[in-house]
Amino acid sequence: DAKTTQPNSMESNEEEPVHLPCNHSTISGTDYIHWYRQLPSQGPEYVIHGLTSNVNNRMASLAIAEDRKSSTLILHRATLRDAAVYYCILISNFGNEKLTFGTGTRLTIIP
Amino acid sequence: DSGVTQTPKHLITATGQRVTLRCSPRSGDLSVYWYQQSLDQGLQFLIHYYNGEERAKGNILERFSAQQFPDLHSELNLSSLELGDSALYFCASSVFPLGGGYNEQFFGPGTRLTVL
Repeated sequence: DAKTTQPNSMESNEEEPVHLPCNHSTISGTDYIHWYRQLPSQGPEYVIHGLTSNVNNRMASLAIAEDRKSSTLILHRATLRDAAVYYCILISNFGNEKLTFGTGTRLTIIP
Repeated sequence: DSGVTQTPKHLITATGQRVTLRCSPRSGDLSVYWYQQSLDQGLQFLIHYYNGEERAKGNILERFSAQQFPDLHSELNLSSLELGDSALYFCASSVFPLGGGYNEQFFGPGTRLTVL
């Protein structure tokens, strides 16, 4: 599986935008970029995914570099409820049959 | 609420014992995945079942086994338990086997296993 690299931790002020980076220099052409997050004492939950173009949904935006070697998850206005561990995961379109979680980024929101 | 249910929520047992963890996937989901989350190993994939058949295996110990029943619920059996098996065990489900373009997994709340 192609590997992703994320900062161990980040802090952000409440109600400000948050940019969570992910490097995936060995990404292949059939790999989709998925983001999951795990809130304290809960199971992971899906956030967003994309292939080449930037994507928006009600939770976040995903900005994908033109060479696809990196991506950024953008939370437009962080709330205390967004404090979680965020995982960037590559999933082949041919079916990995599983999610391979790295260490993720622990996001702390400062009130 | 993801729609995936897991029982029990907490389980405390002794070394050498055997336990069964149960998972009910979201209505309509055919794929069930099991993950283990421990402090030192993070989230690790164990096994995946699709419509009753085993599809993929991860780092699952031989002491562990799983099955998916005709009603699509799944059970994870852990035997000859050791202290190191203490962890959170998550079940997840998806409509079809995970593919990159469209599928997402829905995770249950987990079962916390403590082996004393």
